Amino acid sequence: EVRLVQSGAEVKKTGESLKISCKGSGYKFINYWIGWVRQMPGKGLEWMGITDPRDSDTRYSPSFQGQVTISADTSINTAYLQWGSLKASDTAMYYCVRYVRGCSSTSCSLDYWGQGTLVTVSS
Amino acid sequence: QSALTQPASVSGSPGQSITISCTGTSSDVESYNLVSWYQQRPDKAPKLIIYEGNKWPSGVSDRFSASKSGNTASLTISGLQAEDEADYYCCSYASSATFVVFGGGTKLTVL
Repeated sequence: EVRLVQSGAEVKKTGESLKISCKGSGYKFINYWIGWVRQMPGKGLEWMGITDPRDSDTRYSPSFQGQVTISADTSINTAYLQWGSLKASDTAMYYCVRYVRGCSSTSCSLDYWGQGTLVTVSS
Repeated sequence: QSALTQPASVSGSPGQSITISCTGTSSDVESYNLVSWYQQRPDKAPKLIIYEGNKWPSGVSDRFSASKSGNTASLTISGLQAEDEADYYCCSYASSATFVVFGGGTKLTVL
């Protein structure tokens, strides 16, 4: 059974750093692109970015470029999303997602989702 | 403002069919048969229900179907059931720097 298990909820202060994780199991981690989707309270889904665990090729939405870092550690089948300096507007649920067959002009679908990590940032 | 445009809400009675539209541009929906659809029930993670235009993941009901015409994709749910009440999102690969775009989501109410 394919599973993406995310780290627990976080409560942070503005300006602090944070790294949340997503551990994949039930499949060969290195063979599937993995990425992150944000959902702010009461709002829709926003695509943040994606990484290929094989070669660390990483793409970001222009809205998130320079704001977050996406990475993966294939030795422990885990993907990460990190912030260097949190803002109150980073308060949201963050989902890690696996891609069916990568993300290109021939395929780009998110087939498995983690349970979500709620990040709350206050001053 | 989301890159793909969906109606904010739709409703239908049990047994009826409803359709949710998803309008994009020549840089995304119109150029690729890669629209996927996701169902999100309250306080749950989204779930893939249609991918690559009109394919079903294993275990998803064939009451869900999808189509595309020009820059507009559509999701149809036939034989509405109470359990279909949820938010629905479309998503497309995009040739622009955006790379992947979501719709703003549509809340389906089963009357």
